[in-house]
Amino acid sequence: GDSVTQMEGPVTLSEEAFLTINCTYTATGYPSLFWYVQYPGEGLQLLLKATKADDKGSNKGFEATYRKETTSFHLEKGSVQVSDSAVYFCALSDRLGNQGGKLIFGQGTELSVKP
Amino acid sequence: GAVVSQHPSWVICKSGTSVKIECRSLDFQATTMFWYRQFPKQSLMLMATSNEGSKATYEQGVEKDKFLINHASLTLSTLTVTSAHPEDSSFYICSAGRTGFSNQPQHFGDGTRLSIL
Repeated sequence: GDSVTQMEGPVTLSEEAFLTINCTYTATGYPSLFWYVQYPGEGLQLLLKATKADDKGSNKGFEATYRKETTSFHLEKGSVQVSDSAVYFCALSDRLGNQGGKLIFGQGTELSVKP
Repeated sequence: GAVVSQHPSWVICKSGTSVKIECRSLDFQATTMFWYRQFPKQSLMLMATSNEGSKATYEQGVEKDKFLINHASLTLSTLTVTSAHPEDSSFYICSAGRTGFSNQPQHFGDGTRLSIL
């Protein structure tokens, strides 16, 4: 079945460092890809998404590009802040555009940014 | 603002009690909602798909008699943990997507932390 694999955490960075969180997927169809962020004690918030190959999702300085050839959707940010400390989840949907389709999540990567 | 409201956010109760968790889509209709369970430091595990006006679809290994799901309207789904025991303690999260809109992602509630004593 479909699956998502993320790099293991925790990831600890200093403020203003460059961030990469790797995400690869396996899917039989043509999924949509998402990054969600979870702050302590809260639910998930959508960070960015991409629905087709070579799409780049971006939000709040974070970016990820849908790479069909490498089945990857790595999350990047050029300069992290302490407020970015959270758990990041890569996910795919089983239907184009996640139109009511269930999400399959990676295991999550905890990011800790030190001042 | 929040588009999916989940209530309560935290509940502590005695073993053997049944607990109901509500998930509401605030400004859109959702024929399908999803219920997830999350253990500490772990990912979200899909428990079931809640379908408005019909029976929920449960994932393998999830006891449907233990976790009762009702989706009686286009904006409300409820999860009832029946006769809860300490092993049911967890963080439960619901999500909903806008019915009929393509390329719209799931919106998540803020979760319910359930602690069974």
